[in-house]
Amino acid sequence: EVQLVESGGGLVKPGGSLRLSCTASGITFSNAWMNWVRQAPGKGLEWAGRIKSKSDGGTTDYAAPVKGRFTISRDDSKNTLYLQMNSLKTDDTAVYYCTTVVSNGSVCWGQGTLVTVSS
Amino acid sequence: DIVMTQSPDSLAVSLGERATINCKSSQSVLYSSNNMNYLAWYQQKPGQPPKLVIYWASIRRSGVPDRFSGSGSATDFTLTISSLQAEDVAVYYCQQYYSSPTTFGQGTRLEIK
Repeated sequence: EVQLVESGGGLVKPGGSLRLSCTASGITFSNAWMNWVRQAPGKGLEWAGRIKSKSDGGTTDYAAPVKGRFTISRDDSKNTLYLQMNSLKTDDTAVYYCTTVVSNGSVCWGQGTLVTVSS
Repeated sequence: DIVMTQSPDSLAVSLGERATINCKSSQSVLYSSNNMNYLAWYQQKPGQPPKLVIYWASIRRSGVPDRFSGSGSATDFTLTISSLQAEDVAVYYCQQYYSSPTTFGQGTRLEIK
């Protein structure tokens, strides 16, 4: 069974930094393209960024609101995805989910980790 | 980016009646090489992560009741709940994963009439 588990959320002041992690099991993580999706309180789902597998170049793409402040990386030896968030703003307050499309075409999500940016 | 538009924004249906939610994409999400539509439907209840209900537009995830069905192709899709149950009250989202960035509909709130 595919499982994604996020961690690292918490309360941070505006301008601060936080690093989220997502540990995967049940998939060949090194082949997976991984996404971060976020959901602000009471709002819809918003894609934040994606990293390709290393065999597909390992490149990253980001949504406009986070570009230049967030960095996605991966450690395939640990089956772990990261989201480094810098210069955090109150608008970044959200539950952050990691997601991936698995081999049968289904989409797997973690349970999410809450990031609160507040003074 | 592909824009996903759901209709209606909210829906109230009587218990046991049919609920229908529509999703339209600004571009086709049908992948010609495998003839699959890269379209998913999610159910989200308060305080919970989105739960995958349908993927590839019409494939029910294992464990999802068969009252849920997905249909459509290319740019127009529908999620149907054939006989609404109380536990189906939730917000439903469609998602395209045909191209990056993945994008989502705005959500449809389903309530009991």
